Amino acid sequence: EAGVAQSPRYKIIEKRQSVAFWCNPISGHATLYWYQQILGQGPKLLIQFQNNGVVDDSQLPKDRFSAERLKGVDSTLKIQPAKLEDSAVYLCASSLVGITYGYTFGSGTRLTVV
Amino acid sequence: AQTVTQSQPEMSVQEAETVTLSCTYDTSESDYYLFWYKQPPSRQMILVIRQEAYKQQNATENRFSVNFQKAAKSFSLKISDSQLGDAAMYFCAYRSAMANYGQNFVFGPGTRLSVLP
Repeated sequence: EAGVAQSPRYKIIEKRQSVAFWCNPISGHATLYWYQQILGQGPKLLIQFQNNGVVDDSQLPKDRFSAERLKGVDSTLKIQPAKLEDSAVYLCASSLVGITYGYTFGSGTRLTVV
Repeated sequence: AQTVTQSQPEMSVQEAETVTLSCTYDTSESDYYLFWYKQPPSRQMILVIRQEAYKQQNATENRFSVNFQKAAKSFSLKISDSQLGDAAMYFCAYRSAMANYGQNFVFGPGTRLSVLP
């Protein structure tokens, strides 16, 4: 099966600019996650979708971050305006619904804010 | 809230030797899952091994095995016959089994494993 697709792979922007990341999960996976991984740290959940509804966005900095999952398939994560501390790898993952199912992660987007 | 700690930022092992990576966690729950993930330079997180907390038997996957000590809240990963391809960041992760929780992971800070030829 095809994996979780993410684009772009790399992005460099100046602070205060906006940026968007795209994720295409595995076909049939109703649950989609966005994680932020700062260099030297483990990934931290930003937002979780089930189909096109938000399950958990408690750690999403909503003043600058937004995410949507239209039609319950693809998802986009946006940052506006970006700050230096947003430099990180943004990982997308998907899974079937149910606690026993594992995740499949994408290869992430490495964002550098200068 | 659950926390995961990995006290070894970096480890190294000689090819064909055995290495153990440590992980401790804190939770008040009795039912949960523990995982080890590998992250090579390609950045994709790859599942290495998984342990259900209700199972007393330690999980094994080929050269990878865990030592799960529930009372001590310890979950170490042993890699036997280390290979050059095992070099990567290794993350320990916790996932609640409670149905009303989000199914997200709590990750530790990672251990960078180097394999020396």
